[in-house]
Amino acid sequence: KQEVTQIPAALSVPEGENLVLNCSFTDSAIYNLQWFRQDPGKGLTSLLLIQSSQREQTSGRLNASLDKSSGRSTLYIAASQPGDSATYLCAVWGAGGSYIPTFGRGTSLIVHP
Amino acid sequence: EAQVTQNPRYLITVTGKKLTVTCSQNMNHEYMSWYRQDPGLGLRQIYYSMNVEVTDKGDVPEGYKVSRKEKRNFPLILESPSPNQTSLYFCATGQGYEQYFGPGTRLTVT
Repeated sequence: KQEVTQIPAALSVPEGENLVLNCSFTDSAIYNLQWFRQDPGKGLTSLLLIQSSQREQTSGRLNASLDKSSGRSTLYIAASQPGDSATYLCAVWGAGGSYIPTFGRGTSLIVHP
Repeated sequence: EAQVTQNPRYLITVTGKKLTVTCSQNMNHEYMSWYRQDPGLGLRQIYYSMNVEVTDKGDVPEGYKVSRKEKRNFPLILESPSPNQTSLYFCATGQGYEQYFGPGTRLTVT
């Protein structure tokens, strides 16, 4: 069964730092991987979706990479801001056509001024 | 504006009293799903639907029912809620595999 692990579980950094959040998965046969942001008490907002055939996706200050063979994805946040404070979740969909995603437990990020 | 709406947002109920949480989307997506989020367990899928009248079990379907009579609506039904169903529930819709989530419903069963 697919397992998704996110490291670190929590992170507190000063404003302006470049950050790397990690997501690893045990079964490399994935269809795609998606990164989300969740603000306290709110729903999930999609940040980036990487198809299995892609190596990375970029949106503004965010860059997500995918290395299927090693079962890893990283989310890079450039020049972090206090507004980036949230929990970041990754989710993977299996390559067998399953529509049941497996989510990591998230990295809780605090960016202080 | 593309939206996924859930109602109610907060609900406190008692064991055994049937309840329905509604979910509606205006994006004309065929795929809809329900998740629950629990501390230490993360997000787990309850049910999903690929289209009208087509529903399938997710990872944790026990104690829940769903229906998909219209494309835009996907209600979650708890016929006899129990305290272990106290959780934060999310409805989601998707185009391909990209998911869009509703704001969540916090359910407490006493």
